[in-house]
Amino acid sequence: QKEVEQDPGPLSVPEGAIVSLNCTYSNSAFQYFMWYRQYSRKGPELLMYTYSSGNKEDGRFTAQVDKSSKYISLFIRDSQPSDSATYLCAIPARAGGTSYGKLTFGQGTILTVHP
Amino acid sequence: DAGVTQSPTHLIKTRGQQVTLRCSPKSGHDTVSWYQQALGQGPQFIFQYYEEEERQRGNFPDRFSGHQFPNYSSELNVNALLLGDSALYLCASSLRISFTSTDTQYFGPGTRLTVL
Repeated sequence: QKEVEQDPGPLSVPEGAIVSLNCTYSNSAFQYFMWYRQYSRKGPELLMYTYSSGNKEDGRFTAQVDKSSKYISLFIRDSQPSDSATYLCAIPARAGGTSYGKLTFGQGTILTVHP
Repeated sequence: DAGVTQSPTHLIKTRGQQVTLRCSPKSGHDTVSWYQQALGQGPQFIFQYYEEEERQRGNFPDRFSGHQFPNYSSELNVNALLLGDSALYLCASSLRISFTSTDTQYFGPGTRLTVL
């Protein structure tokens, strides 16, 4: 079983739609959860991160963690064509019991928002 | 403030050859991590360097090696290239890893390696 699994999509929505992106993870010890956005021909950029369970909101973006079901979500409200990108969930995991720093990514979901 | 830079942008090699990719971290950062991103996949962790030493390593063979220089820049070397090594190689930089907090890793634009 992969540590982090993500539905690759692709997902195509009209402008203004609410988008829901999801990942599941296997290790209940994980505590930090991140979402990265990657535009075509660019490196990933950190969008949001959350700690433990609950919601975190930043403008049109909301990150949600449900530790009981090992499920993380990213919601985008009022989606815009500029939101078209690949969205990657990521978990910083300890390696060798030393420190964080190694990011384990999901497969990425390709999102297209059409005008 | 320059972000993470990588060179070259694109590279074409043939099977069996060796390749060196370069990364300069964001100003003020001292830790460099390398990731491999195959087409349609998420990035996979290769290894991480801090204080010129390899600190963590992912599930990659010894053909993959690296180096960090005193100015914190880093190189990724891949020997005996295979077709399956074709991917986008990403460099990420961050501040010294803390035992108690996550770190924000800033990614470069990557080097696209094609192995023929």
